[in-house]
Amino acid sequence: AQKITQTQPGMFVQEKEAVTLDCTYDTSDPSYGLFWYKQPSSGEMIFLIYQGSYDQQNATEGRYSLNFQKARKSANLVISASQLGDSAMYFCAIPGTASKLTFGTGTRLQVTL
Amino acid sequence: KAGVTQTPRYLIKTRGQQVTLSCSPISGHRSVSWYQQTPGQGLQFLFEYFSETQRNKGNFPGRFSGRQFSNSRSEMNVSTLELGDSALYLCASSTGQGHGYTFGSGTRLTVV
Repeated sequence: AQKITQTQPGMFVQEKEAVTLDCTYDTSDPSYGLFWYKQPSSGEMIFLIYQGSYDQQNATEGRYSLNFQKARKSANLVISASQLGDSAMYFCAIPGTASKLTFGTGTRLQVTL
Repeated sequence: KAGVTQTPRYLIKTRGQQVTLSCSPISGHRSVSWYQQTPGQGLQFLFEYFSETQRNKGNFPGRFSGRQFSNSRSEMNVSTLELGDSALYLCASSTGQGHGYTFGSGTRLTVV
């Protein structure tokens, strides 16, 4: 069974600063992937970034990057140059059998002026 | 290309009633999975359908059921609604191969 742990219930960051959101995982699958999603107050889950366990490099998508440390089973999301629109819930997730995603409890990010 | 469409966006029902939610996946995607999100329990997997077959089911009572049609559209049904069923219900569309899950905007169900 997969498990995702997000230990930061809430984070504050000033606009234009970088912020790191933590995610650790547990899985017995030798090949796996990790997703990060953003959920604004409207409710929609927005895909941000994906890291495959065998990817040679850390994933990057614009201002989002992953600090993937396989030996430590962590996949922290780094958001650079934070914007007010980044204020939202952020979820780390890992897929399991038959398209089942296991999510962490999420981190609420608040970007301040 | 069109995204994942969930209808309705908002719903208010009375205890004891039943409700049907709909999810239209991205064209070409054959997998639709459903999740319930509540403040207390977080995001919980309900079930997944692939090519009209349920492949996986979460730990929910039998009041929660679903189906998928030949065009990959999926519906989930909750019978005999309870107050605790109030939640955001999200569906995710994918190819079914373990990559690229795209979510809809969700249906916010309130049971009174």
